[in-house]
Order: sequence, then C-alpha cells, then structure tokens
Amino acid sequence: DAGITQSPRHKVTETGTPVTLRCHQTENHRYMYWYRQDPGHGLRLIHYSYGVKDTDKGEVSDGYSVSRSKTEDFLLTLESATSSQTSVYFCAIRETPRAEQFFGPGTRLTVL
Amino acid sequence: ELKVEQNPLFLSMQEGKNYTIYCNYSTTSDRLYWYRQDPGKSLESLFVLLSNGAVKQEGRLMASLDTKARLSTLHITAAVHDLSATYFCAVDGWDTGNQFYFGTGTSLTVIP
Repeated sequence: DAGITQSPRHKVTETGTPVTLRCHQTENHRYMYWYRQDPGHGLRLIHYSYGVKDTDKGEVSDGYSVSRSKTEDFLLTLESATSSQTSVYFCAIRETPRAEQFFGPGTRLTVL
Repeated sequence: ELKVEQNPLFLSMQEGKNYTIYCNYSTTSDRLYWYRQDPGKSLESLFVLLSNGAVKQEGRLMASLDTKARLSTLHITAAVHDLSATYFCAVDGWDTGNQFYFGTGTSLTVIP
C-alpha cells in the first residue's frame, strides 16, 4: 500500500470554526490532491499541488485553502466551516503525470 | 470543463452473469483510470489505460479504451459476490494539467 495517512480520520465541528486536515505521504511523490466525496457526485477535486509551495485550484475550491511547505505534507483548511462542507475528504498522491493516483484512507468531517 | 459520465449508476446482477459498465467523457484524452471502492473504504486502483485501444485484464475484470469514441468499458465476466463494490472511472484532460475528473460511479451488487 502507498504510504499515505490522513488525520484526523473523523471530526465533528461546529459551523464557523476553522478546520485543518492533514495528508502525509512517505513516497516522496511530487503531486498531491484533495478531493471531497458526496453521494451522487463521485469525487470532486478541491485543490492540488505539483510541488512544494506550488498549488492550484480544482473544481470546488471555494471555502478551502491549502498549503504545502514540505514534500510529504499537504494541508487542507476550511477557514470557517459550513454545513455544506460535511463530506468525506480524500487525499491522493501521484508520482508522474501519467501514473495513477493513490488514495489515503479518508477523513469523515461533519459540520453541525 | 471535462465531463465524465458512467452508466449504469446502479447495477444488480446475478452471480455467473456478464455485464459491462460504460464510461463516456467529453474531451480529448488518452489517459483513463478505473478504481474500486468498497463501502466506507478508500479507492483502490484497478486499471491504467494510456493509449487508444489499450486493454487490461485482471481476473474477471477487463477494461478497454477507445479514445476516438471517448469511451472506456469495464467488462465483468462470470460475476462473483466479491466483486460487489462501487466502480469509478477517472479521466485526465489534456487541458487540465494533472487533474482527474471522476465519473459519478457505478454501484455493483452481485446477488448469489
């Protein structure tokens, strides 16, 4: 299995609070991604990174920010969580642009 | 924006039967990936298809790619209960850098 961990694995928070999710990899892969998964929508890309300090927006980036200060860590921040951000969040890594992405175990976030 | 459509969305089939899942996409791409997801779990990479006419097989599953028709198929031969899962296709678009676009998934239930 690809060395990807996500923390926390489960979180319940209240509307308006900031939340940070962490993705950590031990594979030294250049590309990292954050997705959210919701019923009826499959997986949708939030943000991605193509190197340290190099990030870009995905399809559903509003309300989210990311940071990557080290190759192994990619952080996703919800500045002020809303109920619409209740979802399962997956991190993925990729070695090259033509390789498959490998996914972390996921974080289940509930915003009350 | 690249659109990826899978059909059917839900599939219930008897053990021993054959069936095909279809993945259509809206723009030029020669990179398509299939994933499997068990309930409450992460995504597992099944196949990587990187050229027109590519065919990959693993056990009872076979995937193919027709880039001219913008179509990939996942064929299931003599289904068994262990194949019950949700299957996703994902496409890399030439104009989207390294982003994946996922289909909404096909939920497969194999009935004994």
